[in-house]
Amino acid sequence: DAGVIQSPRHEVTEMGQEVTLRCKPISGHDYLFWYRQTMMRGLELLIYFNNNVPIDDSGMPEDRFSAKMPNASFSTLKIQPSEPRDSAVYFCASRATSGANVLTFGAGSRLTVL
Amino acid sequence: AQSVTQLGSHVSVSEGALVLLRCNYSSSVPPYLFWYVQYPNQGLQLLLKYTTGATLVKGINGFEAEFKKSETSFHLTKPSAHMSDAAEYFCAVTSNTGGFKTIFGAGTRLFVKA
Repeated sequence: DAGVIQSPRHEVTEMGQEVTLRCKPISGHDYLFWYRQTMMRGLELLIYFNNNVPIDDSGMPEDRFSAKMPNASFSTLKIQPSEPRDSAVYFCASRATSGANVLTFGAGSRLTVL
Repeated sequence: AQSVTQLGSHVSVSEGALVLLRCNYSSSVPPYLFWYVQYPNQGLQLLLKYTTGATLVKGINGFEAEFKKSETSFHLTKPSAHMSDAAEYFCAVTSNTGGFKTIFGAGTRLFVKA
């Protein structure tokens, strides 16, 4: 398996633009997590899905953020409109119910909002 | 609610010296505990995990950690540091009261001096 695949790896955009981050989890994993990493706040859980259904989105900072998982092999995190304070590295991670809660992380998407 | 506290945002050791990274957790039920490592510009990788059974767990690269319920601790150790151990280390907790979501500590950056 190629692991968790995230795209784009780097995104530079201007304030007010829409940003879409993408994630392909490991085949067979039924949980998918989106985290945000910043120097100030560390690793924050934004939202997670089980069997494509959002379970807990209490970490989503505000209505500008939305996430979807239309099928078991694809998820998106969208920011609209983007702001400079959204600049961070966004990680997607997946795990299997049978996998002792071990997360496999993607390489991350580094977002810079100017 | 579950939480994780890592004591010390930065730890510096000499090559060949003992590595000790501290982690305390809060969970109302027996937790799953993890240490992950992050190298620059990469996602997190599992170092070791505690689920049930033996309280001393061994991981990759010579690291080990001991689950101490009475102290609610899960400190990470390595007898002899190597230059390649320089990275950021995250302690994490998962429990079923948190909906099996994984919460991370703030991270400890390990520096290894020659």
